[in-house]
Amino acid sequence: DTAVSQTPKYLVTQMGNDKSIKCEQNLGHDTMYWYKQDSKKFLKIMFSYNNKELIINETVPNRFSPKSPDKAHLNLHINSLELGDSAVYFCASSQGQANSGNTIYFGEGSWLTVV
Amino acid sequence: RKEVEQDPGPFNVPEGATVAFNCTYSNSASQSFFWYRQDCRKEPKLLMSVYSSGNEDGRFTAQLNRASQYISLLIRDSKLSDSATYLCVVKSYIPTFGRGTSLIVHP
Repeated sequence: DTAVSQTPKYLVTQMGNDKSIKCEQNLGHDTMYWYKQDSKKFLKIMFSYNNKELIINETVPNRFSPKSPDKAHLNLHINSLELGDSAVYFCASSQGQANSGNTIYFGEGSWLTVV
Repeated sequence: RKEVEQDPGPFNVPEGATVAFNCTYSNSASQSFFWYRQDCRKEPKLLMSVYSSGNEDGRFTAQLNRASQYISLLIRDSKLSDSATYLCVVKSYIPTFGRGTSLIVHP
C-alpha cells in the first residue's frame, strides 16, 4: 500500500557513472517532486512536475534530467556522477498545484553514495 | 535573508517539558504553512498544517504570525518519542523547507 515508492533505496556507484532513480505514486496526485537532502540535512527542491509538465527547475546542473512518462511516475537520471552528488534523494507528490495548501507525501528516499 | 529559517538546535529537554520552535520566512506572499517531522534516516512526514487562526492537535499547537512572518510549534508534555527533527514548510510558488530543528527528549 506504499503511496510514494522509489527505487533503488541504496545506490553506491563510481564517479563518472550514469544512474537512474525511479519513482511512482498511487495517490492520484497531479504534482510530483524531487528533493535532495545533503549531509547537512538541508532538504532542497530540485524539480516539480504537474501532469507530466515541468513547472519547477531549481538551478540544478543539467547532468540531472527528470522524466515524467505519466503523472504517476517521475524518474531522475543523473549523468557523469560527481562526489558532491552523494545525498538522499526524496521523491514526493501532492494534489493540485505545487503552491496549494495540500500535503506533500514523501517516498522513503534513495541513498546515493558516489565513490 | 534565507527564504525559510529555523534554529537547528539541538533542543535537549527532559520528558514532560514544554518546548517551542519558531520558523521565519521571507516571502510575504506565502500562502500555506506546515510542520513536518523527520526521524533519523526516514522521510519527512506531515505533523500538522498551520492555519491563520492557530490550531491544536493533542500536545501540539501551531501558530502563524503573518505580520512578523513566522510560524511556531509548541510541544507540551514532551515524550521520548518526540525526539526528531522538525521541519517547517512554507509555500509560495515553491514549497520550501527549513533546515529543521533537532529535538532530543531525555528521561
